[in-house]
Amino acid sequence: QLQLQESGPGLVKPSETLSLTCTVSGGSISSGNYRWGWIRQPPGKGLEWIGSIHYSGSTYYNPSLKSRVTISLDTSKKQFFLNLSSVTAADTAVYFCAEGYYNWFDPWGQGTLVIVSS
Amino acid sequence: EIVMTQSPATLSVSPGERATLSCRASQSVSTNLAWYQQKPGQAPRLLIYSASPRATGIPARFSGSGSGTEFTLTISSLQSEDFAVYYCQQYNNWPLTFGVGTKVEIK
Repeated sequence: QLQLQESGPGLVKPSETLSLTCTVSGGSISSGNYRWGWIRQPPGKGLEWIGSIHYSGSTYYNPSLKSRVTISLDTSKKQFFLNLSSVTAADTAVYFCAEGYYNWFDPWGQGTLVIVSS
Repeated sequence: EIVMTQSPATLSVSPGERATLSCRASQSVSTNLAWYQQKPGQAPRLLIYSASPRATGIPARFSGSGSGTEFTLTISSLQSEDFAVYYCQQYNNWPLTFGVGTKVEIK
């Protein structure tokens, strides 16, 4: 059974870069129909898609974040990564990673709360 | 960007009753629509994909319908574990977008 687990700092200072890792277990990260995604949820609010990556390296980003986002992956480690630069308090959220099959998401990681504060 | 509008914002339902949730897209998404359930402190769980097929392990009381711009998620007989927030998501166009959610609460 495929499982995903987010990891990374829970506190990031304003203007710095938020960096998260998603580790995939129980399955392959290198499958043609899958795009691995990052989604976030500010406290008490709804879901926002950040971006997705195919194992070939093709990336897809939300235009609202595109200038600050980089998603990459390491197939040998079965991990994919999120970098979000120049963060502000508005980037405080629970960050989820998820497997995207034809761009719906299942399963999801448990999520990790990242607070942007000095 | 396709805007997904969900209604109502909150739905108060008694256990055993039927719940009908709506999701409208600002332009056609064909049947490229998914529904998720999220409980407090948990990640969203996929219920429905491609507008109507249920995801693995999802009970038959959950059903999805619609195409184009109008979609419905129906829970035929609400169980205690169904009280949660429900989101729709379109994946017909980039960027992928979610609705703001419908909270199903106990009446």
